[in-house]
Amino acid sequence: DAGITQSPRYKITETGRQVTLMCHQTWSHSYMFWYRQDLGHGLRLIYYSAAADITDKGEVPDGYVVSRSKTENFPLTLESATRSQTSVYFCASTGGGPYTGELFFGEGSRLTVL
Amino acid sequence: AQSVAQPEDQVNVAEGNPLTVKCTYSVSGNPYLFWYVQYPNRGLQFLLKYITGDNLVKGSYGFEAEFNKSQTSFHLKKPSALVSDSALYFCADNSGTYKYIFGTGTRLKVLA
Repeated sequence: DAGITQSPRYKITETGRQVTLMCHQTWSHSYMFWYRQDLGHGLRLIYYSAAADITDKGEVPDGYVVSRSKTENFPLTLESATRSQTSVYFCASTGGGPYTGELFFGEGSRLTVL
Repeated sequence: AQSVAQPEDQVNVAEGNPLTVKCTYSVSGNPYLFWYVQYPNRGLQFLLKYITGDNLVKGSYGFEAEFNKSQTSFHLKKPSALVSDSALYFCADNSGTYKYIFGTGTRLKVLA
């Protein structure tokens, strides 16, 4: 069972380019999340989704767009990448109620914006 | 506002000694607290959680955590540290909502 997979694992891009990070989970979990991890900040929530076609902003949504047309996929798009978006991005999901269910994380996507 | 603090960036402990990684929380309602571990170049893995009930929670890999309401703390503990426990540890709270708030992380180094 693959669980939750992210692609690409590593990406280098230039300022102003559009980048999409993919997230796919095989459990049919309802809830999915995108976090970014930066030194000194821990993990910060970018966007989350409670179900297909239901998404909402987290702490740091500016510059990012998400969609969720299918339960298993939750892509994150940087419409015009900036250097401040250089980070490690983690996708996560949970199938239980959000108040009790632990999060399952992907392996991360390391993005460098030059 | 909901927040989680991990006051130590790094904790060093000798192998075989007990370890403690500290976490304090500030929430307006009931806390729902979690500990996760991250190994290099990997995603976070769930260790344990406190929702309600016993203040001492047991989790994976021999870890446990003690919930202390009066001190608003949820410290992670292990009686005897292993070198393989060396990793980055995160405390989190979601206060019963979708919004998990993570601490900044504590790097644990277990010295042989």
